[in-house]
Amino acid sequence: NAGVTQTPKFQVLKTGQSMTLQCAQDMNHEYMSWYRQDPGMGLRLIHYSVGAGITDQGEVPNGYNVSRSTTEDFPLRLLSAAPSQTSVYFCASKIQGASYGYTFGSGTRLTVV
Amino acid sequence: AQRVTQPEKLLSVFKGAPVELKCNYSYSGSPELFWYVQYSRQRLQLLLRHISRESIKGFTADLNKGETSFHLKKPFAQEEDSAMYYCALNGSGNTGKLIFGQGTTLQVKP
Repeated sequence: NAGVTQTPKFQVLKTGQSMTLQCAQDMNHEYMSWYRQDPGMGLRLIHYSVGAGITDQGEVPNGYNVSRSTTEDFPLRLLSAAPSQTSVYFCASKIQGASYGYTFGSGTRLTVV
Repeated sequence: AQRVTQPEKLLSVFKGAPVELKCNYSYSGSPELFWYVQYSRQRLQLLLRHISRESIKGFTADLNKGETSFHLKKPFAQEEDSAMYYCALNGSGNTGKLIFGQGTTLQVKP
């Protein structure tokens, strides 16, 4: 199993550009989430999904869209990039059940100039 | 509302000293609590789940519902324990919504 795969690893965007961060998992996990990691802020939940076709907002959803058309994929779209979205983005997945932990991807380091 | 607080941004200890990383939570139901570790510029890895009551790499954590705490402890720190540690809370109801604290950087000096 490859686990949770995120692409790209690094990206530089200009303000106002849009892009999609890709996330795929091959573990047949029902739950998937996107987090952003900023110094001093820890990890903040952007959007999450409990299954194909079902998504919900986390703590900081503004400026981001998600969709979950398949169990495997959970892309994160930045609609119009802003410097405040400069961050490290992590995707994670887990099986159903509150006591199970998430498996994380290696992250995408995004800089918006 | 779910909330996780890690009061220390940085904890610095000498090798062989005991370590306690603090975590307090706010949740009205029965929480599921986790500790994650992130070594320098790597992905987060699950370290402990409170439900399993296990010891990983010498670390343990006990859920104290009275004090709403889930502190991470290790009796003798090693240099390889230097990393960022995150406490996380998954509320009951199987929402999949995992909330993290701000993280504590553990620095173990030789």
